[in-house]
Amino acid sequence: EAGVVQSPRYKIIEKKQPVAFWCNPISGHNTLYWYLQNLGQGPELLIRYENEEAVDDSQLPKDRFSAERLKGVDSTLKIQPAELGDSAVYLCASSSETSGSSREQFFGPGTRLTVL
Amino acid sequence: AQSVTQPDIHITVSEGASLELRCNYSYGATPYLFWYVQSPGQGLQLLLKYFSGDTLVQGIKGFEAEFKRSQSSFNLRKPSVHWSDAAEYFCAVGPFGNEKLTFGTGTRLTIIP
Repeated sequence: EAGVVQSPRYKIIEKKQPVAFWCNPISGHNTLYWYLQNLGQGPELLIRYENEEAVDDSQLPKDRFSAERLKGVDSTLKIQPAELGDSAVYLCASSSETSGSSREQFFGPGTRLTVL
Repeated sequence: AQSVTQPDIHITVSEGASLELRCNYSYGATPYLFWYVQSPGQGLQLLLKYFSGDTLVQGIKGFEAEFKRSQSSFNLRKPSVHWSDAAEYFCAVGPFGNEKLTFGTGTRLTIIP
């Protein structure tokens, strides 16, 4: 079974440019998460989707960040315009209700963003 | 609000020696606790989790963790580390259903020959 796929793995852009990250969750997983991981820190949740609905986006900086999950499968996270402080690793994770209360989150390898 | 403290930023252990990584949590209800491992350039992998029942939980790769409610701790242990255990380890706490995890800042483990 394929894991969570993310692309690109690395991205270098100049500040004020737009950037987008793509995530393909594990097949059948209805819940999708985007996390931000700053250097030397643990991941912090940005947004959580249940199918195509964003059920928790309280930590998403909506002035420059946006996300979508069309058809409840793949998801895209966008930053426009990017700032120097956005340099970080962006992790995508997915989980399934069928795993019961444990609902283990499976993480992708992340996209490392560098803003110059 | 829930929070996790991992007091050790970096730990160095000799190969074959025992390991204990500390985790303290703050949570208003019954906590659901997790340990994840992150190798360089990789995503996080779940090592083990605690929801209820036996306070000593076994995980993958020979790891175990013990939940101590009186100390608000969930320390990770391994009796004998291998060079391949070198990685970043994250403790996390979440509500029932695991929808919103709060992670600690991580402990980087270095293994020396």
